[in-house]
Amino acid sequence: DAKTTQPPSMDCAEGRAANLPCNHSTISGNEYVYWYRQIHSQGPQYIIHGLKNNETNEMASLIITEDRKSSTLILPHATLRDTAVYYCIVRVRGATNKLIFGTGTLLAVQP
Amino acid sequence: EAGVAQSPRYKIIEKRQSVAFWCNPISGHATLYWYQQILGQGPKLLIQFQNNGVVDDSQLPKDRFSAERLKGVDSTLKIQPAKLEDSAVYLCASSLADFYGGELFFGEGSRLTVL
Repeated sequence: DAKTTQPPSMDCAEGRAANLPCNHSTISGNEYVYWYRQIHSQGPQYIIHGLKNNETNEMASLIITEDRKSSTLILPHATLRDTAVYYCIVRVRGATNKLIFGTGTLLAVQP
Repeated sequence: EAGVAQSPRYKIIEKRQSVAFWCNPISGHATLYWYQQILGQGPKLLIQFQNNGVVDDSQLPKDRFSAERLKGVDSTLKIQPAKLEDSAVYLCASSLADFYGGELFFGEGSRLTVL
């Protein structure tokens, strides 16, 4: 079973920052927070992951609270192409460990 | 760099028929996954291979589904006989088999419709 809770849907205006929340109150100390997204009719795409510290890459920023019970994915300047289902996943890092998806958040970027 | 290749993209069959899906992972990726995604749901892991050995197949309906990965590269997923509830997108993914369990790279999926 998925160990995260996400809102089913969110809207965001094009050009604005999209902030996608995720609750993972039962996360273990050795579990990382991963974010993937799935654009319509495509396979999921990796975005970012982190353990304790905030992370940033060319796609997004990941803010993890100090108690690690929740996190926020930030898309700094959302475009129409960012419309997708975003999945927040907790996973023990390691080659044989599973990636278990929940139902995610459908982000609709509005023009 | 070539991505994960899957075929066919679309398949329509009658219930009780059989179907097979093929996956070619990214070169050098030792870990391969098959996921099933039913409309409106997140992907569900069916089976995970490390090279040509099965790591996890706990969610694979073994009475009708089978999967193999010969020579640790390509993989096939077979359904026989198909049921209406097998209508879904079947996603293949691969990753490097390093300690850090890096990101999964997904193919575009094979969409199955069972009538």
